[in-house]
Amino acid sequence: EPEVTQTPSHQVTQMGQEVILRCVPISNHLYFYWYRQILGQKVEFLVSFYNNEISEKSEIFDDQFSVERPDGSNFTLKIRSTKLEDSAMYFCASSEFGSGQGPQHFGDGTRLSIL
Amino acid sequence: DAKTTQPNSMESNEEEPVHLPCNHSTISGTDYIHWYRQLPSQGPEYVIHGLTSNVNNRMASLAIAEDRKSSTLILHRATLRDAAVYYCILPTGNQFYFGTGTSLTVIP
Repeated sequence: EPEVTQTPSHQVTQMGQEVILRCVPISNHLYFYWYRQILGQKVEFLVSFYNNEISEKSEIFDDQFSVERPDGSNFTLKIRSTKLEDSAMYFCASSEFGSGQGPQHFGDGTRLSIL
Repeated sequence: DAKTTQPNSMESNEEEPVHLPCNHSTISGTDYIHWYRQLPSQGPEYVIHGLTSNVNNRMASLAIAEDRKSSTLILHRATLRDAAVYYCILPTGNQFYFGTGTSLTVIP
């Protein structure tokens, strides 16, 4: 069964440094998402991406964050200048259909630790 | 913000059926009802979704009330691997809001 894959599984970065989290969505999916989960808290929506542009974003997704689909297979989340509070699990998801008409399939996440 | 209400926790005996309830009294006519689960240290996993009719797949069944203001996720035979947090979600656009869900404990 096709899967969403994320790399790396664990990223340790110094505060203030830039970090790029990578995702390979399911190949025929058109909608892409990033979520995060701070340890012990809820899964929070960050951003959705369709047709090479952001379609929705939350208040969390400020100017420090950006997303890109640099080629036909990868989808990346960049945090420009990391803060301690960015430490969390980051989940990528993809779906064939938008607006809740189909399921979002999630990867296993990248654990981001900011020192 | 959450458009759904779920019990914080439930218990089930292994190999027994489990009925996980969800209230969504403000549901609109075009809202799909999604269920996901999250096992410890894993990403959310899709379970099932539906609009108006009851749905079945290899993992579970989804029973939707006639007025659509509530739904029930049914696991037909709980196993220890079904111990997880179960989320009932009504997407807002492309956003899935994960509340606190129902933590299911399966007792051997």
